[in-house]
Amino acid sequence: DTGVSQDPRHKITKRGQNVTFRCDPISEHNRLYWYRQTLGQGPEFLTYFQNEAQLEKSRLLSDRFSAERPKGSFSTLEIQRTEQGDSAMYLCASSLSNRANTDTQYFGPGTRLTVL
Amino acid sequence: AQTVTQSQPEMSVQEAETVTLSCTYDTSENNYYLFWYKQPPSRQMILVIRQEAYKQQNATENRFSVNFQKAAKSFSLKISDSQLGDTAMYFCAFLFTSGSRLTFGEGTQLTVNP
Repeated sequence: DTGVSQDPRHKITKRGQNVTFRCDPISEHNRLYWYRQTLGQGPEFLTYFQNEAQLEKSRLLSDRFSAERPKGSFSTLEIQRTEQGDSAMYLCASSLSNRANTDTQYFGPGTRLTVL
Repeated sequence: AQTVTQSQPEMSVQEAETVTLSCTYDTSENNYYLFWYKQPPSRQMILVIRQEAYKQQNATENRFSVNFQKAAKSFSLKISDSQLGDTAMYFCAFLFTSGSRLTFGEGTQLTVNP
């Protein structure tokens, strides 16, 4: 069990550029979540997948944001036409959905995005 | 919608002493889970402890224990024998049993002093 991994760990971009982040969940975890965390705040939910299906999206996820999880394994989060307000830590988490087990989410190290 | 409130933005404790972090929440649901996560500086979020709402017994994990008061909607974390490595931001979080999204509080920055 190697844990949840995210790439890149840091990304600096200019306003208006597109960026893409990747998350690899814990193997065999069928649920994958994306959160956004701004400095000094708790994470806020963006979206989640069960296997390859995107089942819920927050109102925080504007049209410039898109997430995918092809084949139910890794996931990507793309932000188009970045704005300075997009600067934040983007956290990925995964869990194993099972009626017998609590749906505990395990987090990755995050990708820190800075939009200049 | 549920809310989670952590009323202590910062706390400090001397090494080896005990400290309690507070968390209250608001929900009309009866089935849910509560969590405490720890986020050390520049490091990833780590699960500290979890509590199922249907269980009356308070959860414990080594030096960490909770005081879960369902009627009062209170979920505090007690850290015994504090260690320097406990220095971190601590987040309380709520999850519906049938849900998916964690709702986090604002966090409490805990500093353990030598």
